[in-house]
Amino acid sequence: GENVEQHPSTLSVQEGDSAVIKCTYSDSASNYFPWYKQELGKRPQLIIDIRSNVGEKKDQRIAVTLNKTAKHFSLHITETQPEDSAVYFCAARKGGSGGFKTIFGAGTRLFVKA
Amino acid sequence: ETGVTQSPTHLIKTRGQQVTLRCSSQSGHNTVSWYQQALGQGPQFIFQYYREEENGRGNFPPRFSGLQFPNYSSELNVNALELDDSALYLCASSRGPGAVAKNTEAFFGQGTRLTVV
Repeated sequence: GENVEQHPSTLSVQEGDSAVIKCTYSDSASNYFPWYKQELGKRPQLIIDIRSNVGEKKDQRIAVTLNKTAKHFSLHITETQPEDSAVYFCAARKGGSGGFKTIFGAGTRLFVKA
Repeated sequence: ETGVTQSPTHLIKTRGQQVTLRCSSQSGHNTVSWYQQALGQGPQFIFQYYREEENGRGNFPPRFSGLQFPNYSSELNVNALELDDSALYLCASSRGPGAVAKNTEAFFGQGTRLTVV
């Protein structure tokens, strides 16, 4: 069935270091991959996204890469800061005229130590 | 803060009861998606509504149903509540069902925390 696996489940880094979160999706029809950040008790917020016709996208300290062949996509955060501490979710969406479906990963809890 | 609002914020129901959760979409958005988020888990897609019709559904039983109104607000109804239905229910609105790009993708509401006892 449709599935998105996300690793690691927990990640602890020192302030200033980089953090990488990896996801694998099962449905090759997926064509849009958003990443969300959810702070404790708050709603998920979109931080970056990538479409299937693009291999890499960058927005300041955040970048996402996509390997369609391997069905892998990754989130890279450079120069981490304590305020980056949160749970990060990847997601894979497929769909078209018949409807859309978004599958989320289980999340990665990122701790950035000052 | 996004313009997506959900009500109520918290709710306690008894097993077997029925519940209705509400979501007001952000201005200019015509699509609403509903998710169930259990503690420590990622959001699970329930269904999406676009122009008042269901436009995609996840692996949830028929006792999970929805509505979308002409103003694009939406309801999630759950019948015959079970203990496992206890979760945070999130809705997200977007400018279209297949919206992409950061300024048009889905914005989440703050959620309704449902507890079934």
